Amino acid sequence: SQTIHQWPATLVQPVGSPLSLECTVEGTSNPNLYWYRQAAGRGLQLLFYSVGIGQISSEVPQNLSASRPQDRQFILSSKKLLLSDSGFYLCAWSPNHYEQYFGPGTRLTVT
Amino acid sequence: AQSVSQHNHHVILSEAASLELGCNYSYGGTVNLFWYVQYPGQHLQLLLKYFSGDPLVKGIKGFEAEFIKSKFSFNLRKPSVQWSDTAEYFCAVSSSNDYKLSFGAGTTVTVRA
Repeated sequence: SQTIHQWPATLVQPVGSPLSLECTVEGTSNPNLYWYRQAAGRGLQLLFYSVGIGQISSEVPQNLSASRPQDRQFILSSKKLLLSDSGFYLCAWSPNHYEQYFGPGTRLTVT
Repeated sequence: AQSVSQHNHHVILSEAASLELGCNYSYGGTVNLFWYVQYPGQHLQLLLKYFSGDPLVKGIKGFEAEFIKSKFSFNLRKPSVQWSDTAEYFCAVSSSNDYKLSFGAGTTVTVRA
């Protein structure tokens, strides 16, 4: 069966520091991959999605970037974190462009 | 992108009461519809989905949802809730030619024993 992992689970970083969040999927090949940010009372906001290695689409211009160096690996990065980057980041995968399956998330606090 | 509205921010009810959570979306074309649930401390999980066919969809844990195209709605229902149904529920929509999900703001459901 397929599983999705995210790490770290929690992260506290100072303003201006870099960021790297990792997401990996097991048990499938060529998944569609997604990064979301979840804010309380505001649902999930799609940040990036990828349909293949090296193919990244950005939904919201911001301080973050994403990369897909391997088929089942999706990385969310920032060169310099802002206070407003604090939040709960979710990675998701989809086998077929339809339903998406979510990872456990990373709680990021920028201080 | 579609917009998705969930009418209730927080619902509080007693065990055995019936539950209905409203969801409306803005897109006029063919859509795929989903309900996700996030139990306290757990992953976001897919509760049920609708692509085509019978507009009444059965999901896990006794939940069902009805797609009413004329009303752009996909309301979630459960006839008799349990304490374990306490969770946050999210409605999500994608168009048939676009695999990006748009989520509603979520409804927190608290079931009192």
